[in-house]
Amino acid sequence: ETGVTQTPRHLVMGMTNKKSLKCEQHLGHNAMYWYKQSAKKPLELMFVYNFKEQTENNSVPSRFSPECPNSSHLFLHLHTLQPEDSALYLCASSRTPGTSENNEQFFGPGTRLTVL
Amino acid sequence: GQQLNQSPQSMFIQEGEDVSMNCTSSSIFNTWLWYKQDPGEGPVLLIALYKAGELTSNGRLTAQFGITRKDSFLNISASIPSDVGIYFCASPMDSNYQLIWGAGTKLIIKP
Repeated sequence: ETGVTQTPRHLVMGMTNKKSLKCEQHLGHNAMYWYKQSAKKPLELMFVYNFKEQTENNSVPSRFSPECPNSSHLFLHLHTLQPEDSALYLCASSRTPGTSENNEQFFGPGTRLTVL
Repeated sequence: GQQLNQSPQSMFIQEGEDVSMNCTSSSIFNTWLWYKQDPGEGPVLLIALYKAGELTSNGRLTAQFGITRKDSFLNISASIPSDVGIYFCASPMDSNYQLIWGAGTKLIIKP
């Protein structure tokens, strides 16, 4: 039990669908992250939010749209995805990074996304 | 740029054997984190290291922060089937504290 939950755990969608991934953290953290994990590739950071403000967008295509209404919730809205977007999407949270322990990130179980 | 090199990429071991893996970089880091990821799950933090030379244990796992601050090692003693998975090292970049990740070491236990 990591204190970070993600729904749904599995999602299959067509290229014209719109869907959303949800992440919730119960750890009292201020920073939240979206990562993409494809087979045989390192974790790719997509977005970072700190105190609800987006601080990083690592050149992610606009078909991925994040939303952070508060420090406990993070969404990833998906629209017009491509088959190569199929991957495990992981959410993580941490205290505001900067000092030693604050850099520790805690992950949810991920959403396995398949785009047909 | 900063990057982490993990080795080996994969390991086939017998149950009961000890396991060693490492993570190296050409850059200096002030923190080393070791995570384990089971299939279909998110990574779980195993051990965090904050000081050069530090040796920290978590059950059968022991990790060390290299004295040069450019490497870290993870050892697993007396491996058991549930040790199977992918082990990642990660360290925060100085510029923005985002974690950079190694590519992982996949541990497989021979039947």
